[in-house]
Amino acid sequence: GENVEQHPSTLSVQEGDSAVIKCTYSDSASNYFPWYKQELGKGPQLIIDIRSNVGEKKDQRIAVTLNKTAKHFSLHITETQPEDSAVYFCAAHRPQAGTALIFGKGTTLSVSS
Amino acid sequence: DTAVSQTPKYLVTQMGNDKSIKCEQNLGHDTMYWYKQDSKKFLKIMFSYNNKELIINETVPNRFSPKSPDKAHLNLHINSLELGDSAVYFCASSLARGGNSPLHFGNGTRLTVT
Repeated sequence: GENVEQHPSTLSVQEGDSAVIKCTYSDSASNYFPWYKQELGKGPQLIIDIRSNVGEKKDQRIAVTLNKTAKHFSLHITETQPEDSAVYFCAAHRPQAGTALIFGKGTTLSVSS
Repeated sequence: DTAVSQTPKYLVTQMGNDKSIKCEQNLGHDTMYWYKQDSKKFLKIMFSYNNKELIINETVPNRFSPKSPDKAHLNLHINSLELGDSAVYFCASSLARGGNSPLHFGNGTRLTVT
């Protein structure tokens, strides 16, 4: 089955700096890679996703890159703000009946002002 | 309007009791899920239903029984609760069957077994 590794587990940055979170996946058949943000006391919320036919996707301060050959994908947040502080999860999905998203173990991002 | 709503938000109970968590989505999605988040924040799939049909059933003790009366509702019943069941349980829904469309999560039910 799919296995997703996520690093780092914690990340502290100063406001205005960039933050990068990296994930690797094991199953080369996986083709969908979303990123979720979880704020305290709430459920995870999708912030950006990428499919295997695309190498990069950007949405304002957030970007995701995918390297299919190396089986890794990364989340980039530029000009970080205190409200970016949260737990971020990467996930991967293999297109097979009866399979669900497999999540990484999460990265706790702290942005200090 | 809340898209995916779970009740209760907090549940404190003793070992051996039976409890239920309810989930409803008003997004018109066909697929619903239960995920468990442990104390280390790890999210693990438990079950998935598509139009009331069970399509994913991970290795979960059979003390856990999901029930989907219609495609907008997915409830979770837990028998004979154990200390290790303490966690946050998240309900989610998605438009498409399988894991390749965005999940919409509820805000979770924090279950504490004493």
